Order: sequence, then C-alpha cells, then structure tokens
Amino acid sequence: DAEITQSPRHKITETGRQVTLACHQTWNHNNMFWYRQDLGHGLRLIHYSYGVQDTNKGEVSDGYSVSRSNTEDLPLTLESAASSQTSVYFCASSESREGEQYFGPGTRLTVT
Amino acid sequence: AQSVAQPEDQVNVAEGNPLTVKCTYSVSGNPYLFWYVQYPNRGLQFLLKYITGDNLVKGSYGFEAEFNKSQTSFHLKKPSALVSDSALYFCAVRDGSASNTGKLIFGQGTTLQVKP
Repeated sequence: DAEITQSPRHKITETGRQVTLACHQTWNHNNMFWYRQDLGHGLRLIHYSYGVQDTNKGEVSDGYSVSRSNTEDLPLTLESAASSQTSVYFCASSESREGEQYFGPGTRLTVT
Repeated sequence: AQSVAQPEDQVNVAEGNPLTVKCTYSVSGNPYLFWYVQYPNRGLQFLLKYITGDNLVKGSYGFEAEFNKSQTSFHLKKPSALVSDSALYFCAVRDGSASNTGKLIFGQGTTLQVKP
C-alpha cells in the first residue's frame, strides 16, 4: 500500500547543529508539506512544494529549508538548531492542491 | 486573513450520546473545509471534507459535519459516541479563491473525551 514515512521518529540534538528530517511518500503526489505542531498553536505550515524543484515558504519558515529533487522526497533541514525549534514535525502530501492531505507519523525533535 | 477557531479545548461526552465538536472559520472566498483526527503519538488522519454541494458531509467512522455558510461554521458530529473516538480533532480551512495554493490553516484542536 502507498504510504508516507518520516525518519527519524525521535531526534535529540544540540543547539547550533544542522539537522535534516526525512519525508518519503509513495503515492506519487506532487504536493508535499511540512508542519510543526506545538501545544496551543495547532499545526503551522513551515514549507511546501508543488512539484520537483518547486519550494515555497509557509508561515513559520525562518530557520528551515527544504529541497525537492524528486517526487517522493521532501527533506526538511534546520540550518542551525535552536531550542525554539523543539517540536513535533509532520510531513503531508496531497494528490491535488484542493484535496485532503495525508500525514506521516511525525518526528519528535528536541533541541538541547 | 484566513482563520479557524475551535472554541472548546475539550469536549466530554458519555458513550452512546451524540457528540458535537465546533468549528468556525473566516476566509475571503469560498471555503474548503476539512476535519482531521489525531490519536496519541500518531499523525493526523483525514475524516471528511466540504468543497461544494450538500451541506451535510459524511465521513469516516460514522462522523459527519454540517456546513453553515451564514454562521461560517463546520461542526463535526456523530450520533452515538464510542470510547474509541477519544482523540484530538482538528478543523482546517483552505481559501478557495486563492490561486493555485493548497495551504491549509488549522484550528488549535479540540480534545474529545468519551467516557464509558
């Protein structure tokens, strides 16, 4: 069955280190999204992509970057991790821009 | 600006009773509305959506939602709650008038607690 996976599921890193979170989907969806989930804030959009070589900033993009070299993957990079980036990160994909998004299981990131 | 409000942090209901989780929205164009459920330590699962058509939308696990344009609401409902429905529920909206964008705005979530 098609699915969306994220790795690692848990990560502890130190302030200032570069961290990359992986997202891989096998639905062949063009649209992919990264969110962070924090208590009291719901989900907030970090970056999104509508296809290969396309990337766009969301509402909380500072300190994050993404790249889209193929349809299946949208890795999220924290250039220099900060304690404020401690959060749970979710990747999602959708077949159409109007349709529902399908979410991965999440990565819990702790920056110490 | 787009926004979504879920006015209740938590909803408590007894098993077998009907449940309602409230959601109101604000968009400049026609709304595309979604409900998701999140179980502990899991990702969000899609429940149902409204894009156009019948105001009463039926979704997964017996859930339904009613779109009310005049009240800008999209409340989630279920006629008979199960203990297994206990989870965190998110309402989300996309502005249908925005050109070529799939961005969703999420509410802060409502915890549903169903007691036996």
